[in-house]
Amino acid sequence: DAGVIQSPRHEVTEMGQEVTLRCKPISGHNSLFWYRQTMMRGLELLIYFNNNVPIDDSGMPEDRFSAKMPNASFSTLKIQPSEPRDSAVYFCASSPPSTQNQPQHFGDGTRLSIL
Amino acid sequence: GNSVTQMEGPVTLSEEAFLTINCTYTATGYPSLFWYVQYPGEGLQLLLKATKADDKGSNKGFEATYRKETTSFHLEKGSVQVSDSAVYFCALQAKGGATNKLIFGTGTLLAVQP
Repeated sequence: DAGVIQSPRHEVTEMGQEVTLRCKPISGHNSLFWYRQTMMRGLELLIYFNNNVPIDDSGMPEDRFSAKMPNASFSTLKIQPSEPRDSAVYFCASSPPSTQNQPQHFGDGTRLSIL
Repeated sequence: GNSVTQMEGPVTLSEEAFLTINCTYTATGYPSLFWYVQYPGEGLQLLLKATKADDKGSNKGFEATYRKETTSFHLEKGSVQVSDSAVYFCALQAKGGATNKLIFGTGTLLAVQP
């Protein structure tokens, strides 16, 4: 079975540029989570969706960050304009309906470097 | 609110040594508990889980027992290998919520030397 698919795997860009990270959750999963991981702050939950609707975006750092989930099989995390402090590994995870009490499945992440 | 506390790393062991990584939690009700592992350059993978008190999760020689009385879920392995070198995350999931949101600990880096 295909797992959570993230693209690109690596992104290097200059500050001020727009960055778009993409995620395809596992088919049948109705919850999707975006995380950011850095050495200084560890693993942070940025935002999560349930049935394509954003439930909690309190972890989004600031207005430069936005996330969308236009359908059940695709989500994007956008940073505009990007800054060097946004450099991190960004993970997407998905999980089945909560009634199944199943864990989250993670993608391999996007390693983002802002120069 | 719900929270997870795990021992700080790094934990450095020799091959075949015994491993314990401590994890305690604070939660209302009876959450499900998980250990995830992150190998270098990869995403997090579920290692084991326990959904109710006294359950023991096990996988790949790792074990953890859900202890309600001490609100703990310590990870153990009897004989570690170099290939076990990774970051280990303890996490809880409150039951009855609308989604499978996880609360993670800060992670513990394990380095196993040959």
